Amino acid sequence: DIVLTQSPGTLSLSPGERATLSCRASQSINNNYLAWFQQKPGQAPRLLIYGASSRATGIPDRFSGSGSGTDFALTISRLEPEDFAVYHCHQYGRSPRTFGGGTKLEVK
Amino acid sequence: QVQLQESGPGLVKPSETMSLTCTVSGGSISPYYWSWMRQPPGEGLEDIGYIYYSGSTSYNPSLKSRVTISVDTSKNQFSLKLSSVTAADTAVYYCARLGYCSGKCLPDYWGQGTLVTVSS
Repeated sequence: DIVLTQSPGTLSLSPGERATLSCRASQSINNNYLAWFQQKPGQAPRLLIYGASSRATGIPDRFSGSGSGTDFALTISRLEPEDFAVYHCHQYGRSPRTFGGGTKLEVK
Repeated sequence: QVQLQESGPGLVKPSETMSLTCTVSGGSISPYYWSWMRQPPGEGLEDIGYIYYSGSTSYNPSLKSRVTISVDTSKNQFSLKLSSVTAADTAVYYCARLGYCSGKCLPDYWGQGTLVTVSS
């Protein structure tokens, strides 16, 4: 199985700041089949990024994804109050599909 | 607007079989893939498996011996059965449509999730 390791576990920032979240894979992810989801308490995850760098429909352009192979990142350029949540990376290129452990983005 | 709703017992005894159903409204079961995932308390998400509307399935090898996913197109529902449950199967279970496709497909619509606790 491809193990995804997200860092940091918790990121404390203020609104208006820039956030960079990391996701490292134990094996290269073919075709960059790497996605990012946002999850708020008591809610289902929401797709933000697919194919490592493509924004899903309706996602603001302050969210951007980058990376290839085994190292990926999600960047939020200027944090809005509604961006504080848990973020999951997800590889869907190889079975079984796997998720990272999540990064909690909290208000400083 | 497509909506998914999980239903089933919230408490299951160890060694029993848990059953959940996902009812799809506002859209058709075909021609999509439909998925079950779970999230143990305080942990990350885990893929359980998925089914195509025609009935073909793919399961996570770690659960394959205990999992059955089925679909009932006449009722616009798909279901999950997990046998021989233990406390490690306690989790919020989500159903989702794999409808966001670019090469491979990702979840675009999700149920709200249902907590299943395994306890005697």
